Amino acid sequence: GAGVSQSPSNKVTEKGKDVELRCDPISGHTALYWYRQSLGQGLEFLIYFQGNSAPDKSGLPSDRFSAERTGGSVSTLTIQRTQQEDSAVYLCASKPPGQGHNEQFFGPGTRLTVL
Amino acid sequence: AQKVTQAQTEISVVEKEDVTLDCVYETRDTTYYLFWYKQPPSGELVFLIRRNSFDEQNEISGRYSWNFQKSTSSFNFTITASQVVDSAVYFCALTGPNTGNQFYFGTGTSLTVIP
Repeated sequence: GAGVSQSPSNKVTEKGKDVELRCDPISGHTALYWYRQSLGQGLEFLIYFQGNSAPDKSGLPSDRFSAERTGGSVSTLTIQRTQQEDSAVYLCASKPPGQGHNEQFFGPGTRLTVL
Repeated sequence: AQKVTQAQTEISVVEKEDVTLDCVYETRDTTYYLFWYKQPPSGELVFLIRRNSFDEQNEISGRYSWNFQKSTSSFNFTITASQVVDSAVYFCALTGPNTGNQFYFGTGTSLTVIP
């Protein structure tokens, strides 16, 4: 079946502009995660959705970052007034219902470059 | 607190050598789950294995094997007879019922297999 998809695959923007990153999880997966991976770094947790609600927003680095999920499916991560330090690969992952032991399935990521 | 440490940042081996990637974790939970993911140069994380805290049996899958030792809080990953296709960044991760469904990733180990 289809995996997690993300769009766009690459995004180049100018400092100060807003960007929207999209994630389509695997159908039926109730949990959705956003991570940020800077060059040569590990995965930085941003936010987690269970259904449409986000019980854990602790990882969002600033109030310029926001995310929403509608219909328990597609999620959008929005970065307002982008800064150069926002340049990174943004990864989305989804997880099927059940206990925490289910593995996450990752998308290919969106590479964001802020000039 | 939950934490995963991958002390080896980069490893280089010559093809056909064996290599072990270390993972040490910290958790106060008695029930937890450990994972290994592979991130090849293409960028998409691929799930390799999941291990429950109550199952300390080591696992072998082809050239891959995992050594889970609760006494040392380690979950090490060994690749036998390494191949060039094994070149990737490998991440260890931890989750559990008390982590709010959050996954804690190590910073990754970059493995280069030299032909």
